[in-house]
Amino acid sequence: EVQLVESGGGLVRPGGSLRLSCAASGFTFSSYSMNWVRQAPGKGLEWVSSISGNTKYMYYSGSVRGRFTISRDNAQNSLYLQLNSLRAEDTAVYYCATHTITGNTRYFDYWGQGALVTVSS
Amino acid sequence: QSVLTQPPSVSGAPGQRVTISCTGSSSNIGAGYDVHWYQQLPGTAPKLLIYGNINRPSGVFDRFSGSKSGTSASLAITGLQAEDEADYYCQSYDSSLNAVVFGGGTKLTVL
Repeated sequence: EVQLVESGGGLVRPGGSLRLSCAASGFTFSSYSMNWVRQAPGKGLEWVSSISGNTKYMYYSGSVRGRFTISRDNAQNSLYLQLNSLRAEDTAVYYCATHTITGNTRYFDYWGQGALVTVSS
Repeated sequence: QSVLTQPPSVSGAPGQRVTISCTGSSSNIGAGYDVHWYQQLPGTAPKLLIYGNINRPSGVFDRFSGSKSGTSASLAITGLQAEDEADYYCQSYDSSLNAVVFGGGTKLTVL
């Protein structure tokens, strides 16, 4: 059974940093690209970042590029998101998710339970 | 403002059929990119409901179906049940943004 468990969320001041982790199990982690998707309180879903299985390719949404860094440790079956220069608008539940490519796009087939990041003074 | 537009809310009585639309543009759905749908029950993570416009993952009831035409896609739910009350999101890819994009979400209320 695929399991994704996020951790590392919390309260941080504007301008601060935080590192989220996602522990994966139940599948061959290194064979799958991974993603972070976030959801601000009461709002919709927003894709944040993706990383390929071999760590060769990393992608970011325009709203976080230059501030957030995605990484992974295939030996530890873990995905990470380093969040720097945090802003109030980064307050959200951050989900890690696997994706499968279909034709010309991708869909997110497995999701973790999410980690809440609150940016506030 | 989401790139993909969904109605904020829809409602229906138990047993009825409802549809949720997802309207895009020539840089996403209209460009031929697939549309996927997710169901998010209150307080839980999103769950994949439909992928590749029309396909249901294993375990998803056939009361849920997807379609796509032109710059829009739709999710239909037949035989509405109380447990279908949730938020529903469409998702695709936008070539102008070079990014995965989601609709703003639709809250389904079962009357």
